[in-house]
Amino acid sequence: EDKVVQSPLSLVVHEGDTVTLNCSYEVTNFRSLLWYKQEKKAPTFLFMLTSSGIEKKSGRLSSILDKKELFSILNITATQTGDSAVYLCAVDLPNSGYALNFGKGTSLLVTP
Amino acid sequence: DVKVTQSSRYLVKRTGEKVFLECVQDMDHENMFWYRQDPGLGLRLIYFSYDVKMKEKGDIPEGYSVSREKKERFSLILESASTNQTSMYLCASSPSGRASNEQFFGPGTRLTVL
Repeated sequence: EDKVVQSPLSLVVHEGDTVTLNCSYEVTNFRSLLWYKQEKKAPTFLFMLTSSGIEKKSGRLSSILDKKELFSILNITATQTGDSAVYLCAVDLPNSGYALNFGKGTSLLVTP
Repeated sequence: DVKVTQSSRYLVKRTGEKVFLECVQDMDHENMFWYRQDPGLGLRLIYFSYDVKMKEKGDIPEGYSVSREKKERFSLILESASTNQTSMYLCASSPSGRASNEQFFGPGTRLTVL
């Protein structure tokens, strides 16, 4: 049973579009939710969210966490072809030491 | 610049062989992790270690073992490789403590078992 569910699984948009990627989770008592970007190599860190309602921003990317409704979103505005990647959401689980439980990822393709 | 390195980018082995995947981090991190990544299944945790000589099973430890003799090195061992262990293997590390749970990933090893 998946504890972290990402949607959509894949997405194709045109350059300049805005996209919203979703991450819902079943774990209620966790320390942090993380977003990673993975191109054809190792995942690279984007955001770590620990508090509900506080938006984190980095350029055209932003993310927010809703601990009451158990979800997070990752927004990308004015998408570029370089944003094409798999975006991974992960939650650290209670009593798991420091391990992360990952969703299956959303594959984003930005076309020119 | 933080760095996690893995011994091989690509590896081809035969069924039944013993396989060692090595991971080294230079950030003095306490925690180290091994994941495998498969299409449609995402990243799944195999084993992790939060200190030298300590190890914990993840979600899919069957068929694998690990070794952490030194803080900077975490090895994944396939005692007798099987074709269903063909996968991308990712190593990661993170510092201990509640302040940060960001994990830093290595470049991955794509293992093919024939």
